[in-house]
Amino acid sequence: GIQVEQSPPDLILQEGANSTLRCNFSDSVNNLQWFHQNPWGQLINLFYIPSGTKQNGRLSATTVATERYSLLYISSSQTTDSGVYFCAVERDYGGATNKLIFGTGTLLAVQP
Amino acid sequence: DVKVTQSSRYLVKRTGEKVFLECVQDMDHENMFWYRQDPGLGLRLIYFSYDVKMKEKGDIPEGYSVSREKKERFSLILESASTNQTSMYLCASSFVRANTIYFGEGSWLTVV
Repeated sequence: GIQVEQSPPDLILQEGANSTLRCNFSDSVNNLQWFHQNPWGQLINLFYIPSGTKQNGRLSATTVATERYSLLYISSSQTTDSGVYFCAVERDYGGATNKLIFGTGTLLAVQP
Repeated sequence: DVKVTQSSRYLVKRTGEKVFLECVQDMDHENMFWYRQDPGLGLRLIYFSYDVKMKEKGDIPEGYSVSREKKERFSLILESASTNQTSMYLCASSFVRANTIYFGEGSWLTVV
C-alpha cells in the first residue's frame, strides 16, 4: 500500500517562530489533507490540497504532486498551534472515497 | 457546524467483554469511518461504510465488526475485547467525494 512519511517527528518552537512540516508519499494521490490534533484529541481539517498552494491565515500548504511531497508552513507560531499535525492521502485509483492513509504525524510544541 | 458525536469519551472494559462504540453524525454524510490511533503509528483505518448496511474492511479489521442500520449512526463492535485493543478510537464522516472529513472527539478505551 501507499506509504506516508512525515518529518520531523517532533518540533519545539518559541512563540513567534516559523516552521515547515513535510509529508512524503510513495504513490500518486487524488486526495491529500492536513489535519491538526489538539492536546485534547480533536482532529481538525486544515487543508485539502492534492496539488498546488493554499493559504489560510498564518498557515499555508503546498503540494508538488509530481514529486510526491507536501509542505505545511506555520508562520508566527502561537501556543495554540501546539499539537500533532497529520498528513493523510488517498491513492489515485480512479475513484474517491476519502479512505485516507495517515502519516505518523509531527508533534509540535510552541513555548511562550 | 458539522457534529460527529462519539457516545463515550473514556471506557474501561475487562478482557473478553463485548464492547460497543457508537458514533452519530448530523450532516447526512454517506461515508463513515472508524480509525484507531496509537503512539508512533498514526491513525489506521478499521472499517469504512459508504451507505446504510454497506461496509468495507480497512487496514486492521481483525477483532472488530461494525454496524450501520441508519445513515447517521455507525457502531464499532469489539466482540471479545483484548488488551491489545487498548487505544484511542476515532469516528469520522464525509460526503462522497468531498474534500473534507470530520472527526469526532475520540473514545479512549482501556482493556484490563
